[in-house]
Amino acid sequence: AQTVTQSQPEMSVQEAETVTLSCTYDTSESNYYLFWYKQPPSRQMILVIRQEAYKQQNATENRFSVNFQKAAKSFSLKISDSQLGDTAMYFCAFMKPLGGGGADGLTFGKGTHLIIQP
Amino acid sequence: NAGVTQTPKFRVLKTGQSMTLLCAQDMNHEYMYWYRQDPGMGLRLIHYSVGEGTTAKGEVPDGYNVSRLKKQNFLLGLESAAPSQTSVYFCASSYRQGIPSTNEKLFFGSGTQLSVL
Repeated sequence: AQTVTQSQPEMSVQEAETVTLSCTYDTSESNYYLFWYKQPPSRQMILVIRQEAYKQQNATENRFSVNFQKAAKSFSLKISDSQLGDTAMYFCAFMKPLGGGGADGLTFGKGTHLIIQP
Repeated sequence: NAGVTQTPKFRVLKTGQSMTLLCAQDMNHEYMYWYRQDPGMGLRLIHYSVGEGTTAKGEVPDGYNVSRLKKQNFLLGLESAAPSQTSVYFCASSYRQGIPSTNEKLFFGSGTQLSVL
């Protein structure tokens, strides 16, 4: 079974700073998908960014980018020019390829509570 | 499009009562999932379905049953609620392909806060 570990339960940075959230995972699959989801106080699960394991290029979405290190099984999220609206829980998640062993769906880490201070 | 809709949004039960959570999606997705979210635990998979008429167990299936009688609906049932089932429940749906793709991701509903007293 796959596991996802987020080692930072909570982080706090000043507005406009850059912050990096860590995520490591364990799998025997070679092709898979990795995600970062944001959960603000509204409780809604919002997809921030996704990465296909077969792509070497790191994904970027505006102020959000990832550092995907496949050999190290590491998938960190960098938020540049942080804003007050970035305050939320952030979840790292893993999805195996269709037909791979085990249950389908996402396997989540326990989350990092990110607080952006004014 | 409404996406993924969960009903109800809030519910309070007494121990031993039963209830059903309804999830509906209008994206014609084959795959649907039920997760529960507890403080400090992230989201954990309860049950999932890979198509109409199918269900499968996830990580924490005990105490729950599911049904997928129609492609667009996925029901989660609690036959005899326990305080340990107090949680936020999320439904999600997904389009899955058999090859690596850029479209595979889960779409989530807005969650149901369930309290069992």
